[in-house]
Amino acid sequence: GAVVSQHPSWVICKSGTSVKIECRSLDFQATTMFWYRQFPKQSLMLMATSNEGSKATYEQGVEKDKFLINHASLTLSTLTVTSAHPEDSSFYICSAPWSGADTQYFGPGTRLTVL
Amino acid sequence: KQEVTQIPAALSVPEGENLVLNCSFTDSAIYNLQWFRQDPGKGLTSLLLIQSSQREQTSGRLNASLDKSSGRSTLYIAASQPGDSATYLCAVRRNSGNTPLVFGKGTRLSVIA
Repeated sequence: GAVVSQHPSWVICKSGTSVKIECRSLDFQATTMFWYRQFPKQSLMLMATSNEGSKATYEQGVEKDKFLINHASLTLSTLTVTSAHPEDSSFYICSAPWSGADTQYFGPGTRLTVL
Repeated sequence: KQEVTQIPAALSVPEGENLVLNCSFTDSAIYNLQWFRQDPGKGLTSLLLIQSSQREQTSGRLNASLDKSSGRSTLYIAASQPGDSATYLCAVRRNSGNTPLVFGKGTRLSVIA
């Protein structure tokens, strides 16, 4: 099946710093990628939809100026958490739809801890 | 707005038991439904995907059913094993193409040897 990678798999940073998370589709092109966030013992919640060549669309309550999304190519989307705070600590997972299997492929996730 | 509910939130069973995990969704206008497994601190593993026109899908000891009109799905695990211990997530998709999934909170399963 198709593969989606994320980097880094985990990151610890100080409050106030910015963190960039990469999501790559390794063997297929993805014009759209989704970014989800999962707090402990909670479900995955959609944060935003990343669109190649255009602006991302954000879900209600997600600050677009804080969570910057760039979909620079058909295989790469990046999520930058700017001025991170402890409440941003979470598990961030991306996914990319693949028409070949009518499903979505998920990255392995990135664990962000903000001290 | 679509809401997905999973019951029970947690389940602990002895090895060998058959068990059923439940998933319900409020909007029956779905394109497909998918069951995932998530191990602690890890990403998602897709288990079964059921298209809206299908009633069930089977893979090994797993069987998922879908009753779209009533907004329900069940995941049946036969002869449970300690290695089945994980969180099981149910997710629905409204349309084909580039649409996101809506997830339930999951059921945390512990299978005791």
